[in-house]
Amino acid sequence: NAGVTQTPKFQVLKTGQSMTLQCAQDMNHEYMSWYRQDPGMGLRLIHYSVGAGITDQGEVPNGYNVSRSTTEDFPLRLLSAAPSQTSVYFCASSATSGGADTQYFGPGTRLTVL
Amino acid sequence: AQSVTQLGSHVSVSEGALVLLRCNYSSSVPPYLFWYVQYPNQGLQLLLKYTTGATLVKGINGFEAEFKKSETSFHLTKPSAHMSDAAEYFCAVSATGGFKTIFGAGTRLFVKA
Repeated sequence: NAGVTQTPKFQVLKTGQSMTLQCAQDMNHEYMSWYRQDPGMGLRLIHYSVGAGITDQGEVPNGYNVSRSTTEDFPLRLLSAAPSQTSVYFCASSATSGGADTQYFGPGTRLTVL
Repeated sequence: AQSVTQLGSHVSVSEGALVLLRCNYSSSVPPYLFWYVQYPNQGLQLLLKYTTGATLVKGINGFEAEFKKSETSFHLTKPSAHMSDAAEYFCAVSATGGFKTIFGAGTRLFVKA
């Protein structure tokens, strides 16, 4: 199993540009989520999904969209990039959405918005 | 609502010394508690977790943590630090029926030779 994969590893955008961060898992996990990591703030939940076709907002959803058309994939779209979105983005998955399950994290995407 | 507070953004210990990383949580329902570790330029991986049952939980690499409901704490310990333990450690809380895991701000552990 590859686990959770993310592409790209690094990305530089200009303010106003849009892009999609890709996330895929091959563990048939029900639950997937996106976090951003900023210094001194830990990980903050952006969006999550409890199954194909079902998504919801986390703590910091503004400026981001998600969709989940398959169990495997959970892309994160930045609609119009802003410097405040400079961060490291992690995708994670867990077997169920029950709260007790371990989350498995991807290697991250480091995004810089100029 | 749930929250997590990690005391100390940086902790420095000598190799062979006790490691103690502090975590306090707030939860209106019985919590599930986690410690994750992040090595440089990597994603997070699970060290240990408490869901139900025994309050002393053992994890990988010799780490353990004790759930103390009366103190709302879940501190992480290791009797003897190793250089390879240098990393950032995150405490996290979730709950039954909840779809969100809340992470603390993280504690960076430095290990001196």
